[in-house]
Amino acid sequence: KQEVTQIPAALSVPEGENLVLNCSFTDSAIYNLQWFRQDPGKGLTSLLLIQSSQREQTSGRLNASLDKSSGRSTLYIAASQPGDSATYLCAVAGGFKTIFGAGTRLFVKA
Amino acid sequence: NAGVTQTPKFQVLKTGQSMTLQCAQDMNHNSMYWYRQDPGMGLRLIYYSASEGTTDKGEVPNGYNVSRLNKREFSLRLESAAPSQTSVYFCASSEAGGPWELFFGEGSRLTVL
Repeated sequence: KQEVTQIPAALSVPEGENLVLNCSFTDSAIYNLQWFRQDPGKGLTSLLLIQSSQREQTSGRLNASLDKSSGRSTLYIAASQPGDSATYLCAVAGGFKTIFGAGTRLFVKA
Repeated sequence: NAGVTQTPKFQVLKTGQSMTLQCAQDMNHNSMYWYRQDPGMGLRLIYYSASEGTTDKGEVPNGYNVSRLNKREFSLRLESAAPSQTSVYFCASSEAGGPWELFFGEGSRLTVL
């Protein structure tokens, strides 16, 4: 059974700092890994999707990597801003059943 | 360009009452999903519909029923609501067969008293 873990559960950083969020999964037989952002009381916004054949994806200040063999993904946020404050969720797709981590709550202090 | 639309956004029920959450997508996706989100537990899959005319159980299906009304619409029904079903419910859709990218609605916040 696939399990997805995100560490840390919460993170507070000063504005401008570069940071890394971690995601680990137990079964390497995946179709893709998706990173989402969730603001309080809102839905999930897709940030990056890495297909199983890819190693990384970039969008603006965000870079996500995937290492299937070790069951790990990282989300790198460069030059963090207060507007980046949100919960970041990692999700691993094994066909129709996508499994989510519990998320990392990020707070960027001005 | 609405994407995935859920109704209602908020609902309060008494134990034992029934209700249906509605979901519609306009992206011509084959597959649709219902998730629930509880504090500290991430999202858990309740039911999914791989394509029009099919539905399958996810991780936490007990106490729920679903209907794939057509390609656009997928509803979730609580026949006899219980306090344990207090949660935020999210509908999502994707193309089947890859790349399995999920697109979510804004969520429906349900409280069962």
